[in-house]
Amino acid sequence: TQLLEQSPQFLSIQEGENLTVYCNSSSVFSSLQWYRQEPGEGPVLLVTVVTGGEVKKLKRLTFQFGDARKDSSLHITAAQPGDTGLYLCAGEERNNNDMRFGAGTRLTVKP
Amino acid sequence: DTGVSQDPRHKITKRGQNVTFRCDPISEHNRLYWYRQTLGQGPEFLTYFQNEAQLEKSRLLSDRFSAERPKGSFSTLEIQRTEQGDSAMYLCASSYPTGTQYFGPGTRLTVL
Repeated sequence: TQLLEQSPQFLSIQEGENLTVYCNSSSVFSSLQWYRQEPGEGPVLLVTVVTGGEVKKLKRLTFQFGDARKDSSLHITAAQPGDTGLYLCAGEERNNNDMRFGAGTRLTVKP
Repeated sequence: DTGVSQDPRHKITKRGQNVTFRCDPISEHNRLYWYRQTLGQGPEFLTYFQNEAQLEKSRLLSDRFSAERPKGSFSTLEIQRTEQGDSAMYLCASSYPTGTQYFGPGTRLTVL
């Protein structure tokens, strides 16, 4: 079982739509990262959130870290085909700094 | 380009052969990590180094797998007597001791 559960597993939408993907855990993390990965490539860091309740914006992407530092969400406004990819969340465990990944949400944005 | 680099990007081998992958981390980073990723899954932790010391190994890292970082800079991951189940993307990442991990492009291994 994954320490981090991501939902939905797959998401296919039309260009211009909004979407939210979720990353949930029963563990508390000292930080949480969101990565985007394209086929055949390594994950590319989008954002790191550290403080409970923190909200970070990166152009059309809004990231939120839960108050209890156990969950996070990624909201994309007006999705574009270039947003297509695998979105991974990863949490740094508080006790040992180990990084654990979710299985990802595979997003497809159709033109 | 000062990011994490990995070599080769792709490797096709026959079952039973040995393979070795190389990772060059971001130069200021003293931590280096190896992960394995299979289709439809997120990266799974294999092992990590702080400088030249290997500090943790996952139970996924069987006796056929060995990793080294002899001078605290680049690292190698060797798989002996490869099996078809070893086919995966092998990812390397580097970081400061408590910082965000930055990934390389990965080495895709196919065992025939």
